[in-house]
Amino acid sequence: DVKVTQSSRYLVKRTGEKVFLECVQDMDHENMFWYRQDPGLGLRLIYFSYDVKMKEKGDIPEGYSVSREKKERFSLILESASTNQTSMYLCASSFLTRGEDTQYFGPGTRLTVL
Amino acid sequence: QKEVEQNSGPLSVPEGAIASLNCTYSDRGSQSFFWYRQYSGKSPELIMSIYSNGDKEDGRFTAQLNKASQYVSLLIRDSQPSDSATYLCAGFIAGKSTFGDGTTLTVKP
Repeated sequence: DVKVTQSSRYLVKRTGEKVFLECVQDMDHENMFWYRQDPGLGLRLIYFSYDVKMKEKGDIPEGYSVSREKKERFSLILESASTNQTSMYLCASSFLTRGEDTQYFGPGTRLTVL
Repeated sequence: QKEVEQNSGPLSVPEGAIASLNCTYSDRGSQSFFWYRQYSGKSPELIMSIYSNGDKEDGRFTAQLNKASQYVSLLIRDSQPSDSATYLCAGFIAGKSTFGDGTTLTVKP
């Protein structure tokens, strides 16, 4: 079974703190994604990566950065957390083949910024 | 216009009925489509994928794709209370998956 794990299920941080969210997958997937999910706004793509050290901006990259030093690990960084970054953060991975893009999601991290 | 749009919910059906979930997309170059189910407090999980025009059946679930009309649908036959969840439609567009906002389905016993 594909397994995608995220470092924390719940996280509480203060405004201005630097926040790291870690994601690890064990299926040798090339592609990894970070989304945030908010009520009424659906899943929104923050950043994605198709390879080690490679990153692409998604639809809402402002205020975030990412790091992918190893194939299995994709980190999301909030350089200076703000209250509007309170959200559920979901990591996903996929193996891109012939236009297929089945994504496997981690359990999510619910981040609260006070 | 959003790239992937789902019919607004919530949708409520009685147990045993057919639930119909619909999704339209704007990019004719879209290659493949996916339906994910998300239970409250959980992360999305894939139910079905469909790449070709027509129907694809898997148990009680049938996905339908009509590329000419740019819509995708998911039919759930003999709906069960355990099917109550939010269903997300996603299209593989421009090298990445784009998700609709989801439709919340409630199956009443």
